Amino acid sequence: GIQVEQSPPDLILQEGANSTLRCNFSDSVNNLQWFHQNPWGQLINLFYIPSGTKQNGRLSATTVATERYSLLYISSSQTTDSGVYFCAVCPGGSYIPTFGRGTSLIVHP
Amino acid sequence: GAGVSQSPSNKVTEKGKDVELRCDPISGHTALYWYRQRLGQGLEFLIYFQGNSAPDKSGLPSDRFSAERTGESVSTLTIQRTQQEDSAVYLCASTQRAFTGVGGYTFGSGTRLTVV
Repeated sequence: GIQVEQSPPDLILQEGANSTLRCNFSDSVNNLQWFHQNPWGQLINLFYIPSGTKQNGRLSATTVATERYSLLYISSSQTTDSGVYFCAVCPGGSYIPTFGRGTSLIVHP
Repeated sequence: GAGVSQSPSNKVTEKGKDVELRCDPISGHTALYWYRQRLGQGLEFLIYFQGNSAPDKSGLPSDRFSAERTGESVSTLTIQRTQQEDSAVYLCASTQRAFTGVGGYTFGSGTRLTVV
């Protein structure tokens, strides 16, 4: 099946810092999403982004489908950004999202 | 409803007992997924329902696991003869147009299952 690799696995930031999270995938995809899992376990859909660039406030994401990677940018990080960020992809012909292992982010005040 | 609702939120059961977990998807969402997340791990796919089509059960780890969904409504995940290794958070997600691969997925808050 498709392989989804996220990096870095862990990230610690001071409030106000910027960061870039990466998701590499091993095959072409028709669906790519970024999720944030907060410390209480709730998964929130951040972006649906199979290609191109999107922005939502301090967060933005870019997917280069031809090179099989996606990037999530967090600017001016806040303590509420803490949690685990997951990338999930559906390979072509599949309707089942495969998740990466996530990037665990801790933002200190 | 406004979101995906799961119940119970927490369940503690004795090894060997059966448990039933419930998921109520967003109204109008034709696709429903169950995932399992062990402590500190990623999400592991279990089963996928799309409308009235036969479900994709390829992720179920053993025949102790089963799930049902009637039409586009509530789904139940049943685990028979629970084992300690079944302890995890069971997450349900729904989406409107899975067959096109378009659009985002909405997750419920999960059921935390502890087998003692």
